[in-house]
Formats: sequence, C-alpha cells, structure tokens
Amino acid sequence: DIQMTQSPSSLSASVGDRVTITCRASQSIGTYLNWYQQKPGKAPKLLMYDASSLQSGVPSRFSGSGSGTDFTLTISSLQPEDFATYYCQQSYSTTWTFGQGTKVEIK
Amino acid sequence: QVTLKESGPALVKPTQTLTLTCTFSGFSLSTTGMRVSWIRQPPGKALEWLARIDWDDDKFYSTSLKTRLTISKDTSKNQVVLTMTNMDPEDTATYYCARTLASGRGMDVWGQGTTVTVSS
Repeated sequence: DIQMTQSPSSLSASVGDRVTITCRASQSIGTYLNWYQQKPGKAPKLLMYDASSLQSGVPSRFSGSGSGTDFTLTISSLQPEDFATYYCQQSYSTTWTFGQGTKVEIK
Repeated sequence: QVTLKESGPALVKPTQTLTLTCTFSGFSLSTTGMRVSWIRQPPGKALEWLARIDWDDDKFYSTSLKTRLTISKDTSKNQVVLTMTNMDPEDTATYYCARTLASGRGMDVWGQGTTVTVSS
C-alpha cells in the first residue's frame, strides 16, 4: 500500500497566519492527491482534488501544490472557522489511503 | 441535491458480522466514473479507507481488511452495502460512505456517518 505521511501532526496558529501542511507519499502518485477538512463530530469535507484544484464552494484562501511524492496544503490567512483537522488522501492506486491528519489549533 | 446516508446496527457483538447500508440520492451509480467508498474513523483516530465500488461493478478493498470485507451495490435501490465479518472491539468506529464523481476528483459528498460499537 502507498503510505501517506503528514507533517506536522498538530500546529498552533493565530487568526491571520499563513499555515502550511505537508503530505508525503511513499511512492510517486502523480497529482492523485486530495485534501479534506474535518471538524469535531462532522464528516470530512473535500477541499482540494488533483493536488491543486479547489473544490467548488471552498474559499480561495486554501491552495494546494505538489506532484510525485511531496504535496502541500496552504491556508493563506487562517480564519476562525479553519480550526480543524486536515487529511490528505491518495487515489493513485486501486486501494486508497489517508494520511494520519494534522490538527490546526488556536494559539 | 446529492445525499448519502449510512444505516446499520449501533451495537454488534465480537465475532458477529456487520452489515452497513449506504442509501444515496441525486446521482446514479450507473453513470460512468461514479464510485462509492466506505471509510471509518475510530474514536479520536484518523480516517481509514475501507472499500470502493465503481459504476462498472469493479470492487476494491483495503489490503489489511480485504479478507473480512465485501462491498456490493443495488443500482435500482440506490444502495451500496458493506459487510465486515468477525467483528472485534477494535472495529468500533464511525463508518462513513462517500461519493466520487470520477477518477482523481476526490470524495466530494459524504454521509453523516453511523457509529458502530463492538462489545459483548
């Protein structure tokens, strides 16, 4: 299976900060990389697909980049509603896998 | 409007078989490219992808769980069913189903999830 490793596991940031989360795949996955946001007690929400495509309705402060094995999710100016856990997920192989998550907390 | 909703027992005993149903509306699983996956999340832990069924009836399973999982679809009822055998307390989790429109598009619509506890 393709292993997905996110860093950091958690971070503390303030409203207005620029936040970057990294996801690394154990082998090349092209751009078959998706990002999700999950708030406590809620289902995950798709933010980005195909590494850098913004899902409809998602604010433009979210952006994604990368290809091959290294990917990033950036929040350009953190808003109060962005405090959540973020997951990357690969859909390159027939068996899909998630990263372990990055929790973004209020500083 | 696209919706998915999971249903099944809230409590199962160890060694029993779990059957979960995902009932969806607003799309057809006969449409080329459409896929429905099952994902679970133990309390306080990360998401884990379990299985997927595609519009052409192709089926794919988590490597670590494939001997215990079966996924099927009933296109006429707009349902996807997941069975998991030999349930263990470690299978206690919230189980979600989610749709994918096409290859590379991510899981864009999720159900609300159903919580399953495995306990004697």
